[in-house]
Formats: sequence, structure tokens, C-alpha cells
Amino acid sequence: RKEVEQDPGPFNVPEGATVAFNCTYSNSASQSFFWYRQDCRKEPKLLMSVYSSGNEDGRFTAQLNRASQYISLLIRDSKLSDSATYLCVVDTGRRALTFGSGTRLQVQP
Amino acid sequence: GAVVSQHPSRVICKSGTSVKIECRSLDFQATTMFWYRQFPKQSLMLMATSNEGSKATYEQGVEKDKFLINHASLTLSTLTVTSAHPEDSSFYICSASPPVRPGGNEQFFGPGTRLTVL
Repeated sequence: RKEVEQDPGPFNVPEGATVAFNCTYSNSASQSFFWYRQDCRKEPKLLMSVYSSGNEDGRFTAQLNRASQYISLLIRDSKLSDSATYLCVVDTGRRALTFGSGTRLQVQP
Repeated sequence: GAVVSQHPSRVICKSGTSVKIECRSLDFQATTMFWYRQFPKQSLMLMATSNEGSKATYEQGVEKDKFLINHASLTLSTLTVTSAHPEDSSFYICSASPPVRPGGNEQFFGPGTRLTVL
């Protein structure tokens, strides 16, 4: 079983749609959680950290359920510029990050 | 956010040559840097953890004699791919963390080096 699992997609959605990505992780000792965004042939960039209480940054909302070992990302009012691969990332406590394989989002006009 | 640079951005070389990739933290000191590799349509896979002033820690399956890591200062780590072969062609990305702080271990990534071995 992979340490971090994501639906690879692609998710094809129209502009303005709301889309949700899910992620599960296997290591219950994981301490920190993040969503990164990766554009084609570029390095990953931090989108947001994920906190137990849930957190929101503009159109993006992240949630963490430690009991179910589940992380989610919700994007509201999708823009064309949101098209990218979204990586679920977990820090198991040894400082190196464990990446999911990513979920590809394509927002269409 | 913190800035990490990587050089070169792209390398094309012949099979059997060695390639050195540099990773620098520009506005903070990093006692630890990480080297990842990403093959097409796959996720980033950690290769090794680079520790300033000591030996790197390699992940299972990564040959330490083939991927030489040197972390000579608090702002520079280098990865040398020795005797590169076509199967080493990949996107190599380094990352570094500013000193650990509440809220989590954010890592900042270099722009990556795309290695093509002919």
C-alpha cells in the first residue's frame, strides 16, 4: 500500500465549478500535511498547509481527519489558471516529505 | 517564502559522463536539504537527505556510490550523478526547510534540473 494515495484524475471541470480532491495516508504518526501544486515540468509549490481544525485560503479549503487518516482540498469557483497537478504531501516526522502521485485538474472554458 | 535555487536547469550529456547539480538556499541556512527524483507522470520520490557536515542518508534502492551528495556549507548541497546512463534521465529536484517552526515543516523547492542522458 502506498504511503500517500490520491486519485490521479484527470478531473475535467468547467470554469466556475467546485471540485474536491481526496487523499489518504497510511502512517498514523504523520505530523504535518500539505497540498502542493505542480505545473507541467516545474517544481512543486506550496499551496497550503492543512490543519486539524481545517483552514481556508481564498477559494481553497483544506481539511484533515486524523481518525480516518484523510485529507481533502476543495477549490471553489475554478479558474483556468487552477489547471495543474495537486500533490497531497505528508511529513511523517523525519522532515523529508512523502508525496502522493498527484491529482490532475483541467479547468475548461 | 524562502528561495532555493538549483543549477543547471537542464543538462544533456552522453552516457558515461558525470553530472553535478547544485542546490542553494539563498536567504536562509539549511542544515538539511533533500534530493528528489521525478520520472514522467510519476510522483516525486525521495532519493536522499543531505546533512551539512555529515554523510547523506540514502533511501532504499538508491545507490550512494552512483549519486554522490556533498553538503559542504549551510547553503549549498550538490548531487553528482556518476557515470550517467539513459535510465538516469529524470527531473531532479532539491528542497530545503528553514528552521523548524510551529505549524509544520514547510519545504521550499528548487526549480529542478532536467537531466537527459543520451
